[in-house]
Amino acid sequence: GAGVSQTPSNKVTEKGKYVELRCDPISGHTALYWYRQSLGQGPEFLIYFQGTGAADDSGLPNDRFFAVRPEGSVSTLKIQRTERGDSAVYLCASSLGQYTGELFFGEGSRLTVL
Amino acid sequence: EDKVVQSPLSLVVHEGDTVTLNCSYEVTNFRSLLWYKQEKKAPTFLFMLTSSGIEKKSGRLSSILDKKELSSILNITATQTGDSAIYLCAGGTPISASYDKVIFGPGTSLSVIP
Repeated sequence: GAGVSQTPSNKVTEKGKYVELRCDPISGHTALYWYRQSLGQGPEFLIYFQGTGAADDSGLPNDRFFAVRPEGSVSTLKIQRTERGDSAVYLCASSLGQYTGELFFGEGSRLTVL
Repeated sequence: EDKVVQSPLSLVVHEGDTVTLNCSYEVTNFRSLLWYKQEKKAPTFLFMLTSSGIEKKSGRLSSILDKKELSSILNITATQTGDSAIYLCAGGTPISASYDKVIFGPGTSLSVIP
C-alpha cells in the first residue's frame, strides 16, 4: 500500500479482555516499530522488528504484551487481560533498510479499556 | 535510562512570530537527533541531525544540534496557522548498523493564532 495501515482505528474493550492490533507496513520496509502514545505524551517505544524477528522488545511493559511478525511484513500487537492503564493510541511505523532517521507512521489504533 | 526532554511543553504565538523549541537528550550511544511534526495522529519526519553545528533547513523551519550541550533547537520563522501541531524531538541509538531505536520526548504543543 501507499502508507502504513493500522486496524482497527478504534477499539473499545472491557477490562480483562484480549485485543489484537494489526499493522501493515509500507511494502519493502524491513524494519517495523510499535509505539504507544498516551494523551499529552510523546510516543513510547515498545518493540522493533527487523524482518521476522524482534530485535528489541525492551519497551514492552510486561508479559501481557506480545507482538509477532511471522512473514516479515504484517505485524500484530497482542494484549492479554487488558487493564484501564493500557488505554492509549498504539502507533506502528516502518522504515527502509538504510539509516535515514525517517520512520513512516500509521494513523494509529486508539484503544480504550473500560 | 534514555531520556529526551523538551521545552516549553506548550506555546501560543501569533501568526508571523518566530519560535524556538528546545530539546535536550540523554541517550546511550547517541547517533542522531530527530524532529517530527504531529498534527493529528501520525507523526511526520522533519529533520535528522547527526553533526554538531550544522544547520538543517527546510523552508521556514531550521534546526541545529549541539552535541557538547546534548541539545537541539528547532526554529520556525514567520509562523502560520498551519504550523500548529505537536513538535516531537527524539534521540536515536543504534540497534544495528542500519537501524536506530528512537526515543521520543513529550513534545511541544504549538498553537499559532491569526
